[in-house]
Amino acid sequence: EDKVVQSPLSLVVHEGDTVTLNCSYEVTNFRSLLWYKQEKKAPTFLFMLTSSGIEKKSGRLSSILDKKELFSILNITATQTGDSAVYLCASYGQNFVFGPGTRLSVLP
Amino acid sequence: NAGVTQTPKFQVLKTGQSMTLQCAQDMNHNSMYWYRQDPGMGLRLIYYSASEGTTDKGEVPNGYNVSRLNKREFSLRLESAAPSQTSVYFCASSEDARGAQSTEAFFGQGTRLTVV
Repeated sequence: EDKVVQSPLSLVVHEGDTVTLNCSYEVTNFRSLLWYKQEKKAPTFLFMLTSSGIEKKSGRLSSILDKKELFSILNITATQTGDSAVYLCASYGQNFVFGPGTRLSVLP
Repeated sequence: NAGVTQTPKFQVLKTGQSMTLQCAQDMNHNSMYWYRQDPGMGLRLIYYSASEGTTDKGEVPNGYNVSRLNKREFSLRLESAAPSQTSVYFCASSEDARGAQSTEAFFGQGTRLTVV
């Protein structure tokens, strides 16, 4: 059975801090690893990673995938209060399997 | 473009009542999904449909049925609602990635269902 695990489940930081969110997976016929940000409503897409070792970046967010060790990390530098959200990691093989999410709270 | 549209946005049911959640997408996607989200548990797959005319069970299918009415629409039915089905339900769609490397899931805005 496909499985995605995230850590930590909850994180509280202050503005300006850098955070690293972790995601490990066990997926049959793995094709990609995706990161989503969820505020009050639907998840919004951040990154899709298919190849090992290639960093994806978008502003202060970046992510990398290690297909050998079956994990991914999401980094957020210089955090802002607007980064407060639940960050979901998902694997895509036959369908999308989501982890439990990391709830990030950024305090002013 | 509307993307993925779910109705209703909110619903309160009494135990034993039935209802259907509607979902439609206008992106010409082949694959559609229904998830439920409970606190601390991420998104759990209820059912999915890889293409028109096919449906498959996900992780938590008990108590639900689905219909892929056509390529655009994928409905989720609760035949006899139970308090354990109180949750937020999300519909999603994606391109048909068979043979392709990967794809992204697009989500509707969710339905908050309370069963009392």
